[in-house]
Amino acid sequence: GAVVSQHPSRVICKSGTSVKIECRSLDFQATTMFWYRQFPKQSLMLMATSNEGSKATYEQGVEKDKFLINHASLTLSTLTVTSAHPEDSSFYICSARTGRDTQYFGPGTRLTVL
Amino acid sequence: ELKVEQNPLFLSMQEGKNYTIYCNYSTTSDRLYWYRQDPGKSLESLFVLLSNGAVKQEGRLMASLDTKARLSTLHITAAVHDLSATYFCAVDISFGANNLFFGTGTRLTVIP
Repeated sequence: GAVVSQHPSRVICKSGTSVKIECRSLDFQATTMFWYRQFPKQSLMLMATSNEGSKATYEQGVEKDKFLINHASLTLSTLTVTSAHPEDSSFYICSARTGRDTQYFGPGTRLTVL
Repeated sequence: ELKVEQNPLFLSMQEGKNYTIYCNYSTTSDRLYWYRQDPGKSLESLFVLLSNGAVKQEGRLMASLDTKARLSTLHITAAVHDLSATYFCAVDISFGANNLFFGTGTRLTVIP
Protein backbone atom coordinates (compact mmCIF):
# COMPACT_ATOMS: atom_id res chain seq x y z
CA GLY A 1 0.00 0.00 0.00
CA ALA A 2 0.89 3.65 -0.30
CA VAL A 3 3.13 4.91 2.48
CA VAL A 4 3.71 8.49 3.52
CA SER A 5 6.39 9.37 6.03
CA GLN A 6 7.03 12.50 8.03
CA HIS A 7 10.16 13.69 9.72
CA PRO A 8 10.63 14.51 12.48
CA SER A 9 7.87 12.87 14.46
CA ARG A 10 8.39 15.25 17.35
CA VAL A 11 10.21 18.55 17.59
CA ILE A 12 10.66 21.02 20.42
CA CYS A 13 12.03 24.43 19.63
CA LYS A 14 12.48 27.82 21.18
CA SER A 15 10.23 30.71 20.32
CA GLY A 16 11.54 32.66 17.34
CA THR A 17 13.28 29.79 15.64
CA SER A 18 12.24 28.09 12.40
CA VAL A 19 11.33 24.45 12.05
CA LYS A 20 11.20 22.35 8.90
CA ILE A 21 8.97 19.31 8.58
CA GLU A 22 9.40 16.85 5.71
CA CYS A 23 6.69 14.78 4.10
CA ARG A 24 7.67 11.97 1.73
CA SER A 25 5.69 9.56 -0.37
CA LEU A 26 7.77 6.40 -0.20
CA ASP A 27 6.32 4.19 -2.90
CA PHE A 28 4.38 6.44 -5.21
CA GLN A 29 4.66 9.78 -6.92
CA ALA A 30 2.57 12.45 -5.25
CA THR A 31 1.32 15.08 -7.63
CA THR A 32 -0.47 16.79 -4.76
CA MET A 33 0.38 17.04 -1.10
CA PHE A 34 -1.75 18.52 1.65
CA TRP A 35 -0.77 19.98 5.00
CA TYR A 36 -3.16 19.85 7.92
CA ARG A 37 -2.95 21.20 11.45
CA GLN A 38 -4.68 19.63 14.39
CA PHE A 39 -4.95 21.29 17.78
CA PRO A 40 -5.51 19.08 20.82
CA LYS A 41 -8.89 17.38 20.82
CA GLN A 42 -9.92 19.16 17.64
CA SER A 43 -10.42 18.19 14.04
CA LEU A 44 -7.98 18.48 11.17
CA MET A 45 -7.87 21.82 9.46
CA LEU A 46 -6.42 22.08 5.99
CA MET A 47 -3.63 24.63 5.84
CA ALA A 48 -2.50 24.39 2.25
CA THR A 49 -2.43 22.31 -0.89
CA SER A 50 0.70 21.99 -2.93
CA ASN A 51 1.21 20.62 -6.40
CA GLU A 52 4.64 19.55 -7.54
CA GLY A 53 6.57 22.37 -9.12
CA SER A 54 4.06 25.11 -8.37
CA LYS A 55 3.25 27.43 -5.53
CA ALA A 56 1.11 26.18 -2.69
CA THR A 57 -2.50 27.26 -2.31
CA TYR A 58 -3.17 28.40 1.22
CA GLU A 59 -6.49 28.25 3.02
CA GLN A 60 -8.05 31.42 4.29
CA GLY A 61 -6.44 32.60 7.50
CA VAL A 62 -3.18 30.71 7.01
CA GLU A 63 -0.18 33.02 6.72
CA LYS A 64 1.85 32.01 3.71
CA ASP A 65 4.91 33.89 4.93
CA LYS A 66 4.84 32.05 8.21
CA PHE A 67 4.14 28.58 6.87
CA LEU A 68 6.42 28.08 3.89
CA ILE A 69 5.62 25.10 1.74
CA ASN A 70 7.90 23.66 -0.90
CA HIS A 71 6.91 20.76 -3.13
CA ALA A 72 10.11 20.43 -5.10
CA SER A 73 9.72 16.85 -6.25
CA LEU A 74 7.06 14.22 -6.73
CA THR A 75 8.04 12.53 -3.49
CA LEU A 76 8.87 15.37 -1.13
CA SER A 77 7.10 18.37 0.34
CA THR A 78 8.39 20.47 3.19
CA LEU A 79 6.61 22.76 5.63
CA THR A 80 8.72 25.37 7.35
CA VAL A 81 7.26 27.16 10.33
CA THR A 82 9.15 30.42 10.45
CA SER A 83 9.69 32.38 13.65
CA ALA A 84 7.66 29.87 15.58
CA HIS A 85 5.67 30.94 18.62
CA PRO A 86 3.93 28.91 21.32
CA GLU A 87 0.59 29.30 19.56
CA ASP A 88 2.06 27.39 16.61
CA SER A 89 2.39 24.32 18.81
CA SER A 90 0.23 21.70 17.19
CA PHE A 91 0.11 18.34 15.45
CA TYR A 92 0.95 18.74 11.77
CA ILE A 93 -0.17 16.01 9.39
CA CYS A 94 0.62 15.76 5.71
CA SER A 95 -1.11 13.69 3.10
CA ALA A 96 -0.24 12.83 -0.47
CA ARG A 97 -2.06 11.58 -3.53
CA THR A 98 -1.59 10.86 -7.18
CA GLY A 99 -3.99 12.57 -9.52
CA ARG A 100 -7.49 12.41 -8.07
CA ASP A 101 -6.76 9.30 -6.06
CA THR A 102 -7.23 8.73 -2.35
CA GLN A 103 -5.22 10.83 0.08
CA TYR A 104 -2.68 8.85 2.10
CA PHE A 105 -1.81 10.35 5.44
CA GLY A 106 1.54 10.63 7.13
CA PRO A 107 2.10 9.76 10.80
CA GLY A 108 2.16 13.39 11.88
CA THR A 109 4.66 15.72 13.53
CA ARG A 110 4.10 17.11 16.98
CA LEU A 111 5.57 20.59 17.28
CA THR A 112 6.07 22.18 20.67
CA VAL A 113 7.30 25.75 20.80
CA LEU A 114 8.64 26.86 24.16
CA GLU B 1 -20.36 28.27 5.20
CA LEU B 2 -19.32 24.66 4.79
CA LYS B 3 -20.02 22.55 7.84
CA VAL B 4 -19.44 18.91 8.61
CA GLU B 5 -20.91 18.08 11.95
CA GLN B 6 -20.70 14.84 13.84
CA ASN B 7 -23.04 13.70 16.54
CA PRO B 8 -22.26 12.91 19.24
CA LEU B 9 -18.93 14.59 19.92
CA PHE B 10 -18.28 12.29 22.84
CA LEU B 11 -19.59 8.78 23.26
CA SER B 12 -19.07 6.46 26.17
CA MET B 13 -20.54 3.03 25.71
CA GLN B 14 -20.35 -0.35 27.32
CA GLU B 15 -18.81 -3.33 25.65
CA GLY B 16 -21.33 -5.37 23.75
CA LYS B 17 -23.64 -2.46 23.02
CA ASN B 18 -24.57 -0.97 19.66
CA TYR B 19 -24.46 2.67 18.69
CA THR B 20 -24.47 4.98 15.68
CA ILE B 21 -22.38 8.03 14.95
CA TYR B 22 -23.89 10.58 12.59
CA CYS B 23 -22.14 12.85 10.12
CA ASN B 24 -24.14 15.70 8.60
CA TYR B 25 -22.68 17.94 5.95
CA SER B 26 -23.89 21.14 4.37
CA THR B 27 -22.54 20.91 0.83
CA THR B 28 -23.24 18.76 -2.19
CA SER B 29 -20.94 15.79 -2.27
CA ASP B 30 -21.09 12.20 -3.45
CA ARG B 31 -18.00 10.93 -1.71
CA LEU B 32 -17.36 10.56 1.99
CA TYR B 33 -14.60 9.03 4.06
CA TRP B 34 -14.41 7.67 7.59
CA TYR B 35 -11.15 7.67 9.52
CA ARG B 36 -10.02 6.46 12.89
CA GLN B 37 -7.43 8.27 14.98
CA ASP B 38 -5.79 6.87 18.08
CA PRO B 39 -4.30 9.32 20.61
CA GLY B 40 -1.10 10.89 19.31
CA LYS B 41 -1.37 9.06 16.01
CA SER B 42 -2.31 9.94 12.48
CA LEU B 43 -5.37 8.82 10.57
CA GLU B 44 -6.31 5.29 9.64
CA SER B 45 -8.65 4.98 6.70
CA LEU B 46 -11.78 2.96 7.48
CA PHE B 47 -14.24 3.44 4.65
CA VAL B 48 -14.70 5.26 1.38
CA LEU B 49 -18.34 5.74 0.36
CA LEU B 50 -18.57 6.65 -3.28
CA SER B 51 -22.25 6.99 -4.07
CA ASN B 52 -25.72 7.50 -2.69
CA GLY B 53 -26.89 4.42 -0.83
CA ALA B 54 -23.40 3.02 -0.42
CA VAL B 55 -22.96 0.70 2.52
CA LYS B 56 -19.70 -0.83 3.64
CA GLN B 57 -18.91 -3.10 6.54
CA GLU B 58 -15.69 -4.16 8.17
CA GLY B 59 -15.83 -6.18 11.35
CA ARG B 60 -17.98 -4.41 13.93
CA LEU B 61 -18.22 -1.20 11.91
CA MET B 62 -20.66 -0.40 9.15
CA ALA B 63 -20.87 2.88 7.26
CA SER B 64 -23.58 4.22 5.00
CA LEU B 65 -24.12 7.29 2.87
CA ASP B 66 -27.31 9.16 1.95
CA THR B 67 -26.27 11.99 -0.37
CA LYS B 68 -29.80 13.36 -0.63
CA ALA B 69 -30.03 13.82 3.11
CA ARG B 70 -26.34 14.79 3.25
CA LEU B 71 -25.89 12.25 5.98
CA SER B 72 -23.51 9.42 6.69
CA THR B 73 -23.65 7.01 9.59
CA LEU B 74 -21.06 4.83 11.25
CA HIS B 75 -22.72 2.00 13.13
CA ILE B 76 -20.92 0.10 15.83
CA THR B 77 -22.09 -3.40 16.64
CA ALA B 78 -21.24 -5.15 19.91
CA ALA B 79 -18.53 -2.68 20.83
CA VAL B 80 -15.20 -3.85 22.19
CA HIS B 81 -12.54 -1.87 24.03
CA ASP B 82 -10.23 -1.86 21.01
CA LEU B 83 -12.67 0.38 19.18
CA SER B 84 -11.94 3.23 21.58
CA ALA B 85 -10.60 6.07 19.42
CA THR B 86 -11.67 9.27 17.74
CA TYR B 87 -13.62 8.84 14.52
CA PHE B 88 -13.73 11.47 11.80
CA CYS B 89 -15.85 11.71 8.72
CA ALA B 90 -14.50 13.75 5.83
CA VAL B 91 -16.42 15.05 2.84
CA ASP B 92 -14.93 15.30 -0.62
CA ILE B 93 -15.73 18.89 -1.53
CA SER B 94 -14.26 18.75 -4.99
CA PHE B 95 -16.48 16.23 -6.78
CA GLY B 96 -13.99 13.44 -6.94
CA ALA B 97 -10.80 15.45 -6.83
CA ASN B 98 -10.43 14.24 -3.28
CA ASN B 99 -10.08 17.53 -1.46
CA LEU B 100 -11.37 16.76 2.00
CA PHE B 101 -13.18 18.73 4.66
CA PHE B 102 -13.15 17.01 8.02
CA GLY B 103 -15.93 16.65 10.51
CA THR B 104 -15.73 17.64 14.14
CA GLY B 105 -14.81 14.15 15.29
CA THR B 106 -16.43 11.74 17.73
CA ARG B 107 -14.41 10.50 20.65
CA LEU B 108 -15.51 6.99 21.47
CA THR B 109 -14.70 5.29 24.74
CA VAL B 110 -15.76 1.69 25.19
CA ILE B 111 -16.04 0.70 28.81
CA PRO B 112 -15.50 -2.92 29.86
